[in-house]
Amino acid sequence: DAKTTQPNSMESNEEEPVHLPCNHSTISGTDYIHWYRQLPSQGPEYVIHGLTSNVNNRMASLAIAEDRKSSTLILHRATLRDAAVYYCILRFTPDDKIIFGKGTRLHILP
Amino acid sequence: AAGVIQSPRHLIKEKRETATLKCYPIPRHDTVYWYQQGPGQDPQFLISFYEKMQSDKGSIPDRFSAQQFSDYHSELNMSSLELGDSALYFCASSLRSWADTQYFGPGTRLTVL
Repeated sequence: DAKTTQPNSMESNEEEPVHLPCNHSTISGTDYIHWYRQLPSQGPEYVIHGLTSNVNNRMASLAIAEDRKSSTLILHRATLRDAAVYYCILRFTPDDKIIFGKGTRLHILP
Repeated sequence: AAGVIQSPRHLIKEKRETATLKCYPIPRHDTVYWYQQGPGQDPQFLISFYEKMQSDKGSIPDRFSAQQFSDYHSELNMSSLELGDSALYFCASSLRSWADTQYFGPGTRLTVL
């Protein structure tokens, strides 16, 4: 299975943009790139996903490198509520199970 | 909007006892996934069901079994409980045709004494 690599932790100031990187150098041509996050004491929550093109939704933006070997989740204006563990996940098909890796623990400083 | 419901939210059992966790997916969702998250660990996929049939299997112990019923709710049955089974158990649901998004429930915290 293709693997992802993320920083263990990151810090950002409140109300500033946050760029969360993810490397997936062994990604296959059909792997979808998904991002989920897990807030403290809650179940994981879908953030965004994409295949080749950059994607935007109300929560975040996903920038995918042209060679698809890396991607970046962008939170445009971080709030304290965005403090969570962010998981970058590859899924072979849209309905595939989620294999969680280590994720990035994001700390937001007031 | 309706979310995934899990019951009970907390459960305390003794070693070697059995436990049943229930999951009620979002209305019209036909696929259910179960995940286990040990203390300080990341969620691990256990098993999934689509239209009442097992669709995928992960690291689910033989002591555990699960099924999805005609109303699409699912139950995870755990027998001969061990201390290491203490964890958060999450259920997620999705609609197959829009299956790119899994919606997770709040989890059931199982403590085995």
